[in-house]
Amino acid sequence: DTEVTQTPKHLVMGMTNKKSLKCEQHMGHRAMYWYKQKAKKPPELMFVYSYEKLSINESVPSRFSPECPNSSLLNLHLHALQPEDSALYLCASSHVPGAEAFFGQGTRLTVV
Amino acid sequence: GIQVEQSPPDLILQEGANSTLRCNFSDSVNNLQWFHQNPWGQLINLFYIPSGTKQNGRLSATTVATERYSLLYISSSQTTDSGVYFCAVHTGNQFYFGTGTSLTVIP
Repeated sequence: DTEVTQTPKHLVMGMTNKKSLKCEQHMGHRAMYWYKQKAKKPPELMFVYSYEKLSINESVPSRFSPECPNSSLLNLHLHALQPEDSALYLCASSHVPGAEAFFGQGTRLTVV
Repeated sequence: GIQVEQSPPDLILQEGANSTLRCNFSDSVNNLQWFHQNPWGQLINLFYIPSGTKQNGRLSATTVATERYSLLYISSSQTTDSGVYFCAVHTGNQFYFGTGTSLTVIP
């Protein structure tokens, strides 16, 4: 089983809303990642969690707040987003940092 | 940071044709993956290949780490092969995506 589950699949939110994206895996992976992908562009790394600790933050604005409550779950809390933050948000996990990564289906976010 | 360039950026093939996609990277990497992104955005793992050659059905991949490139071969292409192909290089604790090749296979 190499499944990474992301919810919701689609999300529309206003600029004053607070929402959260969820990512779950039950493969015993100890590294989890958030990526952002704009249309016709490659995914861009946002955050890396290694053994439930934030190890990499690629200078992401503070309106994106990651959280890793346990080794199976990764959240991305969203607050005061801008329309340019509309994108596909992808979560991935790997056995250990840098190992083969597996992706979820993504959450397509629209900020209005 | 590391630069990862893919070529060609766009490719249109007739069904049944063969193709070679290339991934060049600017620095040493620990590992390399190839993905196929389908029209719904799902990234599907194709190969995890630090060096050498691997084959899976109609697809094969070769990585020559010392020369900093990897190749993805698609033989007897089918319309379901359409989508965007990304390589991603592993350095340290993270991996970075290449620029992508958009493939369209026409019947």
